Amino acid sequence: ETGVTQSPTHLIKTRGQQVTLRCSSQSGHNTVSWYQQALGQGPQFIFQYYREEENGRGNFPPRFSGLQFPNYSSELNVNALELDDSALYLCASTPTPDVPPGEQYFGPGTRLTVT
Amino acid sequence: GDSVTQMEGPVTLSEEAFLTINCTYTATGYPSLFWYVQYPGEGLQLLLKATKADDKGSNKGFEATYRKETTSFHLEKGSVQVSDSAVYFCALTPGTQGGSEKLVFGKGTKLTVNP
Repeated sequence: ETGVTQSPTHLIKTRGQQVTLRCSSQSGHNTVSWYQQALGQGPQFIFQYYREEENGRGNFPPRFSGLQFPNYSSELNVNALELDDSALYLCASTPTPDVPPGEQYFGPGTRLTVT
Repeated sequence: GDSVTQMEGPVTLSEEAFLTINCTYTATGYPSLFWYVQYPGEGLQLLLKATKADDKGSNKGFEATYRKETTSFHLEKGSVQVSDSAVYFCALTPGTQGGSEKLVFGKGTKLTVNP
């Protein structure tokens, strides 16, 4: 039990639509990262927020955006959905700097299907 | 850029067999290395870590040694159990100064242990 929750569990959207995925972290976890895990692949880093500011971004287009809130919750927004966006989206949080870099607490993920 | 290559699966073993999952990495700087495990229906969990060369990470009978000369971090367990059935991911955090604490993952190795 990592204390990180994500909603919804599953989601089906149509190509071209917009989606918002949500994550709730433990109190004190001031860093949140989002990852995309395609079927049979390892998670790919989308971006990271530290104290509500973006603190790094992977190789994803601008239609992937995020927000982090003071209450340790965060959102991942994806505009103009494409079929290749179908994946498991993982949220991970860290109580920076109390643990070393890379020790992240993952949520169970949101399975997004784009048709 | 930074990358992780791990042994392709799936791997199927009998209970009490010896396990090795190979992992090699490419990175600039001095990365920290991790093994994460994903049990069926659950989120990723940190299994073990090593932050500098020759460090040995260990947990739940699993071990891995950070080998800088061979850029490797192979996962081993002397006697696997059915409950070890899961997908195992090798990962690194880049050692470059500043920036985000992103994790770079391998593709994962699915392990099935039969009674």
